[in-house]
Amino acid sequence: NAGVTQTPKFQVLKTGQSMTLQCAQDMNHNSMYWYRQDPGMGLRLIYYSASEGTTDKGEVPNGYNVSRLNKREFSLRLESAAPSQTSVYFCASSEDDRVAQPQHFGDGTRLSIL
Amino acid sequence: AQTVTQSQPEMSVQEAETVTLSCTYDTSESDYYLFWYKQPPSRQMILVIRQEAYKQQNATENRFSVNFQKAAKSFSLKISDSQLGDAAMYFCAYRSDPYTSGTYKYIFGTGTRLKVLA
Repeated sequence: NAGVTQTPKFQVLKTGQSMTLQCAQDMNHNSMYWYRQDPGMGLRLIYYSASEGTTDKGEVPNGYNVSRLNKREFSLRLESAAPSQTSVYFCASSEDDRVAQPQHFGDGTRLSIL
Repeated sequence: AQTVTQSQPEMSVQEAETVTLSCTYDTSESDYYLFWYKQPPSRQMILVIRQEAYKQQNATENRFSVNFQKAAKSFSLKISDSQLGDAAMYFCAYRSDPYTSGTYKYIFGTGTRLKVLA
């Protein structure tokens, strides 16, 4: 059971470089999410996709773009990386029915911007 | 807008003892879901327990139970017979009912780091 798969697990970038974080889920979930986790800040939502073909901004979208390529995949792009984007990034997915479905998380990507 | 507050940045408990982690939230909605997640040093986010707001009965999962007080907007997690493997960051999360709110967001608290002392 792969669940939610994120690649890469670690990445170091220089300021101004671009990069795409990949996320794929094999649970046939409709909704997918990107979070960043910083010390003392918990998880903050960057973007989410309620269903294939739709994306919406979360709490901290500036400096990021996303693509919901298909139902399985949801990528996060940093067009011009900045040191403030150094963080751990989590992708998650969930069902969106009326049962209390939790989110399923990937293992995270530790991104350092120098 | 909904908010989730975890006022205890860090807690400690002796092995085999009981500890309670606090979580409060603010919402004007009547239908919603609440979750506790555990994040060990491996960084993986693991669901601990969930609660539907319309259910008055508190959820339990083995050694984990919640005290859900809807009127007080409180959702605390009790860990009984604490084990060394319980040491982790614990996050409280809120989700609106997407069918009534139209939103699919989850809102997380800032976390409580739990240390278990041998």
